[in-house]
Amino acid sequence: ETGVTQTPRHLVMGMTNKKSLKCEQHLGHNAMYWYKQSAKKPLELMFVYNFKEQTENNSVPSRFSPECPNSSHLFLHLHTLQPEDSALYLCASSALSGTVNEKLFFGSGTQLSVL
Amino acid sequence: LAKTTQPISMDSYEGQEVNITCSHNNIATNDYITWYQQFPSQGPRFIIQGYKTKVTNEVASLFIPADRKSSTLSLPRVSLSDTAVYYCLVGDKVGNTGFQKLVFGTGTRLLVSP
Repeated sequence: ETGVTQTPRHLVMGMTNKKSLKCEQHLGHNAMYWYKQSAKKPLELMFVYNFKEQTENNSVPSRFSPECPNSSHLFLHLHTLQPEDSALYLCASSALSGTVNEKLFFGSGTQLSVL
Repeated sequence: LAKTTQPISMDSYEGQEVNITCSHNNIATNDYITWYQQFPSQGPRFIIQGYKTKVTNEVASLFIPADRKSSTLSLPRVSLSDTAVYYCLVGDKVGNTGFQKLVFGTGTRLLVSP
């Protein structure tokens, strides 16, 4: 148990569907992240929120829309996805984004399949 | 971008010591070196972090030479459950914001056999 909970664990959706991924952290951290991990590829940083403010958008397509209502919750809203968006989506948190001692705590991820 | 280079894969047997070396020639003065472990279908898990010389915890040791251009993660007496992907990371600043993000490379896939 890392203190970062992601739901759902698995999601299958069609290209015309709209769904949302949820992440909640119980660690009192101020920064939260979305990473994407495709098969056989490195983890790709998608978004970073620091004190609820988005500080990084790593050239992610607009069909991925993040939302951070508070420092404990992070959402990733999905719409009109493509089959190549199928991947493991990982949420992480850290105590303070921007420090040299940054340590990330990851959730177990949502395995997304787009049909 | 600060970049790391690791072997793609390594094989070992139970009870052996495993050393995974990572190159980071462009490491910045303020960067720490951090290692994570990832099992299939799970998020990476922090293992150890260091700045220079040697760091040891209950799981592993991290050896960093004086020039800090490389580091070695040492796993003593590995077991089957140590089969995983191991990532070496250094920080990377984004523009002039001071914000530091951690960039994951391809990692080293360690397979421990009986």
